[in-house]
Amino acid sequence: QQQVKQSPQSLIVQKGGISIINCAYENTAFDYFPWYQQFPGKGPALLIAIRPDVSEKKEGRFTISFNKSAKQFSLHIMDSQPGDSATYFCAASTVYTGRRALTFGSGTRLQVQP
Amino acid sequence: GAVVSQHPSWVICKSGTSVKIECRSLDFQATTMFWYRQFPKQSLMLMATSNEGSKATYEQGVEKDKFLINHASLTLSTLTVTSAHPEDSSFYICSAHRASTEAFFGQGTRLTVV
Repeated sequence: QQQVKQSPQSLIVQKGGISIINCAYENTAFDYFPWYQQFPGKGPALLIAIRPDVSEKKEGRFTISFNKSAKQFSLHIMDSQPGDSATYFCAASTVYTGRRALTFGSGTRLQVQP
Repeated sequence: GAVVSQHPSWVICKSGTSVKIECRSLDFQATTMFWYRQFPKQSLMLMATSNEGSKATYEQGVEKDKFLINHASLTLSTLTVTSAHPEDSSFYICSAHRASTEAFFGQGTRLTVV
C-alpha cells in the first residue's frame, strides 16, 4: 500500500520558472512532512519540512504548502535554477507520536533548462 | 547541519561473499538509525530500523539473516549483506535522526555483486 503518492513523475521547467511538486498521503497519523533533494549517486538531503499545524513554510526559494483537510502537501521552487535539477522526494512519518521511519513518495525528476 | 557518514561509497564483490557497510553519525548520538534500499530511478524503501543495544526491526519481506544489522554504539550502525547475490545489487542508504525530528542521510553505498 503506497501511503504517500507523489506527482508528477518528471518535470521540466525553464530557468526562472516555478517548479511545483505535489504529494498526497493517506495515514492521518503522519505528523511530519519533509522534502528531500537527491542528486545521482548521493544520499537524500533535507530541504524543508513542515508539521500539520502550519499551512505554509518558506525557506529561501523553497515553500511547502500544506492542506490538512485534503491530506495534501506540495513543494514550490521559486526562480528555479539549473542547479536545482535533481530528484525530489516528499516523505512523511509519525515523528512526534511514534514510528520515526520515513515513508517516501515515488520521487519527481526535475530538470531546469537554461 | 548534522553529518552522517556512510562507508564505503561503492563496493564490488563476488557472489557468495559478504559485504559490510558502515553508517556513522559524526556530530550527534543516534539511538536509532534506519537502513533503506533504492533501486535505479525508484524511491527509497525502508529495510530495517537499527536500535542501539538491541536487535534490529526488519520490514516485512526483508530477510534478517541476509541483511545483518548491528548497532554497537550510539554513533555506529553496520549493515552486512551476507552471501551476496547479483539481485542484492542496489544503492543502500542509512539515516539517523538528530533529536526527534530531522533525518540526515548518509552518502549511500552502491553495491554491485558480480
